[in-house]
Amino acid sequence: DAGVIQSPRHEVTEMGQEVTLRCKPISGHNSLFWYRQTMMRGLELLIYFNNNVPIDDSGMPEDRFSAKMPNASFSTLKIQPSEPRDSAVYFCASSFGRSYEQYFGPGTRLTVT
Amino acid sequence: AQSVTQPDIHITVSEGASLELRCNYSYGATPYLFWYVQSPGQGLQLLLKYFSGDTLVQGIKGFEAEFKRSQSSFNLRKPSVHWSDAAEYFCAVGGGGNTGGFKTIFGAGTRLFVKA
Repeated sequence: DAGVIQSPRHEVTEMGQEVTLRCKPISGHNSLFWYRQTMMRGLELLIYFNNNVPIDDSGMPEDRFSAKMPNASFSTLKIQPSEPRDSAVYFCASSFGRSYEQYFGPGTRLTVT
Repeated sequence: AQSVTQPDIHITVSEGASLELRCNYSYGATPYLFWYVQSPGQGLQLLLKYFSGDTLVQGIKGFEAEFKRSQSSFNLRKPSVHWSDAAEYFCAVGGGGNTGGFKTIFGAGTRLFVKA
């Protein structure tokens, strides 16, 4: 299995621009998680889905952030408009059933200038 | 409230020495417990997990962890550290998905430095 796939791996954009991060979970997994990691705040859960349905989005920092999961094999995290404080590494992870163990993608390093 | 505490922000160990990373959790039911490792520029990788049964669990790369319910702890150990073990280590507790979906709470991480 290819594991969790994230794209792009690196993104540099200017403040005010729209940013879309993409994730393909492991085939057969039914839960998907988006995290943000920074030096100051550590690893933060932004939102998670179960069977393509958003279950808990309490970690989404502002209305500028939105996430979708149109099908079992694809999810997006969008930031519009982006701000410099959004600069971070964004991870996607997936898991299956009640196993709780999560498999992480390599992350997208976002830099907003 | 569910929480995970890793009291050591960073630890330095000599290569070949033993290692113990501490983890304490707060959880209302029997927890599912995990240790993950993150190498620089990488995502998190599962080292080991505890769901039930034997309280001493073995993981990859020679790591083990012991669940102690009375102390609400799940400390990670390795008898002999290698330079390649330098990384950040995260303890995590899982649970709380009554409506579907299974959220995991991560600790703040402990960065391990290995000196020659």
